Amino acid sequence: QVYLVESGGGVVQPGRPLRLSCEVSGFNLSDNAMHWVRQAPGEGLEWVALVSHGGKNKEYRDSVKGRFSISTDDSKKTVFLQMSGLTAGDTAVYYCAKDRGQRTGSLDSWGQGTLVTVSS
Amino acid sequence: IVLTQSPVSLPVTPGESASISCRSSQSLVRVNGYNYLDWYLQKPGQSPQLLIYLGSHRASGVPDRFSGSGSGPDFTLNISRVAVEDVGVYYCMQARQTPLTFGQGTKLEI
Repeated sequence: QVYLVESGGGVVQPGRPLRLSCEVSGFNLSDNAMHWVRQAPGEGLEWVALVSHGGKNKEYRDSVKGRFSISTDDSKKTVFLQMSGLTAGDTAVYYCAKDRGQRTGSLDSWGQGTLVTVSS
Repeated sequence: IVLTQSPVSLPVTPGESASISCRSSQSLVRVNGYNYLDWYLQKPGQSPQLLIYLGSHRASGVPDRFSGSGSGPDFTLNISRVAVEDVGVYYCMQARQTPLTFGQGTKLEI
């Protein structure tokens, strides 16, 4: 059974950093790409970043490039999203999602999400 | 790539059928010939779940009353015999290229 459990969300001041974690079980990070998707309160879904199987290739949406960094620790079976330079526009529930394959883009398992609130 | 869904809201009666449309601003075909268009359902208070991938392939565990069809630029999600547990917001998403993008959502209401 595949499980994804996010953690690390909370209230953070503008400009401060925050690191989200996603602990996975039931599959290997070396076999599947992983994604972060966010959802602002009352809004739709917005893709944020992906890391390829094995962690070598990383891609980001333009609005977070240079501020967010996605990474994996295979030994800990964890995916991270390091966020810096946070603004109110980054306030959202952040979901970790498993790619159906090595880079299909289809997200076949999702975590429960972790809420990030950027506020002074 | 911009995805435009319609309708925004879809009231249905249990047992009836429903259709949701998704139009893409660009081709969603990769070199392997597949259309990289998925459908997701986000039930109230829950995380999204994959229903359909590659335009017409049902994800594991998805009831066969859900079906996807179409080729660029128009795609359709059909739900036959709508059930009460199908309520929520349906999103189409393109996986042709990054940034992956979602439609704005269609809220199915009973």
